[in-house]
Amino acid sequence: RKEVEQDPGPFNVPEGATVAFNCTYSNSASQSFFWYRQDCRKEPKLLMSVYSSGNEDGRFTAQLNRASQYISLLIRDSKLSDSATYLCVVNRAGGSYIPTFGRGTSLIVHP
Amino acid sequence: DAGITQSPRHKVTETGTPVTLRCHQTENHRYMYWYRQDPGHGLRLIHYSYGVKDTDKGEVSDGYSVSRSKTEDFLLTLESATSSQTSVYFCAISDPGQKSGEQYFGPGTRLTVT
Repeated sequence: RKEVEQDPGPFNVPEGATVAFNCTYSNSASQSFFWYRQDCRKEPKLLMSVYSSGNEDGRFTAQLNRASQYISLLIRDSKLSDSATYLCVVNRAGGSYIPTFGRGTSLIVHP
Repeated sequence: DAGITQSPRHKVTETGTPVTLRCHQTENHRYMYWYRQDPGHGLRLIHYSYGVKDTDKGEVSDGYSVSRSKTEDFLLTLESATSSQTSVYFCAISDPGQKSGEQYFGPGTRLTVT
């Protein structure tokens, strides 16, 4: 089993739709979790950290489920500009900041 | 945006030649990383550094070496480039003392080995 797994998609949704991605991780001792966004041929950029209690940033909501070892990202009221690849990132336990990246989920928002 | 630059941004080289990629940061972050990104594989860690002269291997380190003689610079060297090293290379930085594990990436270097 891969350390971090994501459905590659693509998720093809109309503008205004709500879309959710999940990401599963295998190391139960993982400490910190993130979602990154990557546009085509660009560098990944931090979208949001994922906290145990869940967190929201505008139209984006991230959740962590430690019992089932997955994190999720919910995007409400999708915009054309949300089209990108969303990378799930999990940091190893033990204080060494060596992240493991999922392969990403592709989102296409169409008019 | 975090102050991270990579040079060169594009390079074409021949098999067997040495290549050095440079990552430069102005954020004084402790950790620096080199990744490669290929279709179907996502981002894979090559090497990382947790301080000046402190480096360690990632999951795909064979054929690569690194050096960090100053906080701001992290060099990645391909001693003898092969076609399998054609890829996009990203540098990243993080500072666990500020925000645990958040990384900031440079713009990438597109390397083609012919």
